[in-house]
Amino acid sequence: DGGITQSPKYLFRKEGQNVTLSCEQNLNHDAMYWYRQDPGQGLRLIYYSQIVNDFQKGDIAEGYSVSREKKESFPLTVTSAQKNPTAFYLCASSIDRTSLDEQYFGPGTRLTVT
Amino acid sequence: QKEVEQNSGPLSVPEGAIASLNCTYSDRGSQSFFWYRQYSGKSPELIMFIYSNGDKEDGRFTAQLNKASQYVSLLIRDSQPSDSATYLCAVKGGNNAGNMLTFGGGTRLMVKP
Repeated sequence: DGGITQSPKYLFRKEGQNVTLSCEQNLNHDAMYWYRQDPGQGLRLIYYSQIVNDFQKGDIAEGYSVSREKKESFPLTVTSAQKNPTAFYLCASSIDRTSLDEQYFGPGTRLTVT
Repeated sequence: QKEVEQNSGPLSVPEGAIASLNCTYSDRGSQSFFWYRQYSGKSPELIMFIYSNGDKEDGRFTAQLNKASQYVSLLIRDSQPSDSATYLCAVKGGNNAGNMLTFGGGTRLMVKP
């Protein structure tokens, strides 16, 4: 089965701790994305990557970091510098960023920081 | 000024009726338009995309695009309670942020039996 997996589904952390969210895809897509969704709101872009070892900041990159060492994987680290980290985090992929093709989403990780 | 606007709702329709969901966008150079359905607590699921002016039909869903008016809509015929969800409009291409996908805030649809 082709698709995007995110783990874990729910994550709880104490304030001040860094946490890494996993995203893996076996669709052979070049482009991958991380979004954040707050209750009752749309999606906001955190980071995106067009190709291995390259990534770009989105609209709300402060307090987050990413890596893209493999085509299939695009982990997101939520650092202690992120002021309001509690949110629903969604990973997506598309064939490539420059095409008009649609993005497909993973199941999401709900992060709660207390 | 928001780049993609949707009425947050909730939009309530009776079962069997037509639900009409609307979206406006500010970037006149936008080239592709997507409708995603998101059930509560789940990730968005792509249901329709449209690139050209006019209508595009897929089963009970019809997407309508009017680039001159910068307006895209989604019609759901014979609405079912299972259609109750939040519908996200997304716009790609044009001058905004290097061809990235920009999402509206979503419209919550409630279909009452």
